Amino acid sequence: EPEVTQTPSHQVTQMGQEVILRCVPISNHLYFYWYRQILGQKVEFLVSFYNNEISEKSEIFDDQFSVERPDGSNFTLKIRSTKLEDSAMYFCASSGGTALYETQYFGPGTRLLVL
Amino acid sequence: KNQVEQSPQSLIILEGKNCTLQCNYTVSPFSNLRWYKQDTGRGPVSLTIMTFSENTKSNGRYTATLDADTKQSSLHITASQLSDSASYICVVLRGGAGAGKSTFGDGTTLTVKP
Repeated sequence: EPEVTQTPSHQVTQMGQEVILRCVPISNHLYFYWYRQILGQKVEFLVSFYNNEISEKSEIFDDQFSVERPDGSNFTLKIRSTKLEDSAMYFCASSGGTALYETQYFGPGTRLLVL
Repeated sequence: KNQVEQSPQSLIILEGKNCTLQCNYTVSPFSNLRWYKQDTGRGPVSLTIMTFSENTKSNGRYTATLDADTKQSSLHITASQLSDSASYICVVLRGGAGAGKSTFGDGTTLTVKP
């Protein structure tokens, strides 16, 4: 069964460094998402992406964040200058068809630790 | 403010028993409501998706209900199994402007004991 994959599974970085989190969505899906979950807290929506542009973004998704689909398979989240509070599990998800009503399939997550 | 509140925060039941989890929301405009199962350290897995016009939806031993008038939903788990131990998360997607933005609840942590 097709699945969303994410790399790396864990990343440790120093505050102020740039990180890129990578996701490979399910191949025929058209909508892509990033979410984050700070340890012990609820999952939070960051951004949705369709047709090579951002569809929606939350208040969390400020100028430090950017997303890109650099080729036909990858979907990346870049954090330009990491802060301690960026430490969290980051989930990528994808869905096909009319995104509002389609099932979103989540990847296994990347655990980011900012020191 | 768009919010999703879940209760109880945690629940312990014996294997084979049934349970019901609750979700209240204030998200507006409403598009659809989803229930997810999340195992520790894993990504959420979709259980059900319900739109405004749907009152009940089942997926195996999981049955979700939605009352759009009172903005309440429930997830009923029948004949629980040890593998049902997980966090169950209620998520509401907005419609209209901001369509697709998700608001997650804190989840109910279910523990099924033998």
